[in-house]
Amino acid sequence: EVQLVESGGGLVQPGGSLRLSCAASGFTFSSYWMSWVRQAPGKGLEWVANIKQDGSEKYYVDSVKGRFTISRDNAKNSLYLQMNSLRAEDTAVYYCARDFWAVSTRPDAFDIWGQGTMVTVSS
Amino acid sequence: QSVLTQPPSVSGAPGQRVTISCTGSSSNIGAGYDVHWYQQLPGTAPKLLIYGNSNRPSGVPDRFSGSKSGTSASLAITGLQAEDEADYYCQSYDSSLSALFGGGTKLTVL
Repeated sequence: EVQLVESGGGLVQPGGSLRLSCAASGFTFSSYWMSWVRQAPGKGLEWVANIKQDGSEKYYVDSVKGRFTISRDNAKNSLYLQMNSLRAEDTAVYYCARDFWAVSTRPDAFDIWGQGTMVTVSS
Repeated sequence: QSVLTQPPSVSGAPGQRVTISCTGSSSNIGAGYDVHWYQQLPGTAPKLLIYGNSNRPSGVPDRFSGSKSGTSASLAITGLQAEDEADYYCQSYDSSLSALFGGGTKLTVL
């Protein structure tokens, strides 16, 4: 079964750090662009970052540039999001999502989503 | 405020047809980037409904259809059913390979 399972969420104080993980199974992880998408409570979806199959290209939404880092370990079939200097507005459910097409030169639709992990930034 | 604009809400009676619009600009949809649509039921992760403007993934009923023209796209749902009540999001890209989501549309089945 194709599956993505996020972990690492929790309560953190403003200015703190957190590292999210996403474990992939059931498909050739190294063939796909991967993304992080977040959803603040009661709000819409917001794309956070994406990473190419080999990690050579990474893109971020402006609001997290310089604070968040996306990475992947294809040997471990895992995606990561290192979040530093966290702010209250980063509070959200964070989803990892797989790109629709394998071996694509640019990202496209998101066809597989994890169940999400909640990140709460509060003192 | 989202770069892609969707109506906050739409509604329709069972069996009716509803459409949800997604308006972008020459920097995203109008630049040729495909539009994709997602359905999010309460408390669940989003589900891909339409990819590449008008294609349905396996398992998505043909009651759902998508189209794109110029700087806009639309999702149409025919034969509305109670189970279609959900939030719907459009998604595209810009030239920096940053993904863009619409603000979402809440569909109410009357």
